[in-house]
Amino acid sequence: KQEVTQIPAALSVPEGENLVLNCSFTDSAIYNLQWFRQDPGKGLTSLLLIQSSQREQTSGRLNASLDKSSGRSTLYIAASQPGDSATYLCAVSPSNDYKLSFGAGTTVTVRA
Amino acid sequence: SQTIHQWPATLVQPVGSPLSLECTVEGTSNPNLYWYRQAAGRGLQLLFYSVGIGQISSEVPQNLSASRPQDRQFILSSKKLLLSDSGFYLCAWSVPLPSYNSPLHFGNGTRLTVT
Repeated sequence: KQEVTQIPAALSVPEGENLVLNCSFTDSAIYNLQWFRQDPGKGLTSLLLIQSSQREQTSGRLNASLDKSSGRSTLYIAASQPGDSATYLCAVSPSNDYKLSFGAGTTVTVRA
Repeated sequence: SQTIHQWPATLVQPVGSPLSLECTVEGTSNPNLYWYRQAAGRGLQLLFYSVGIGQISSEVPQNLSASRPQDRQFILSSKKLLLSDSGFYLCAWSVPLPSYNSPLHFGNGTRLTVT
């Protein structure tokens, strides 16, 4: 069974600092990995999707890397802003269907 | 563009009462539809998914059921709620398989409190 872990569970940084969020998974047989953002009391918003054949994906200040062999992904957020405060979740898709396995998330607070 | 609607946003129900949560998707055809539950401090748990009208797969044995009466409508139901059914319920859609490399799109969720 795929296990997805996100450490730390919470993170607080001053505005302008770069954020590094970690995601690890136990089964490297994945088809893709997705990063989501969740604001309090809201649904999830897709940020980035990395296909298993890719090493990284970028969107604006966000960059996600994937090392399938070691079972790790990292989300980098450059020059953090208070508006980046949210919970960030990663999820992996297995090779044979679309049932994602989610991590519990990292809650980020960016202090002004 | 595609949009997903989920209602109600919050719901307080007594133990033993029925439940009906509705989700509709606009702007796409034949989507895959999903119901997830999120418990505090834990990852999302997939409850049901559907690849077409009347086709429902259950992931976890529980007090809930799902139905898909129309292509873009997904309903989560219970005949008698338990305290343990409290949680944050999220509906989601994706393009049909085998397009594995498209993201999952979520609704805004329903906060259910069973008292």
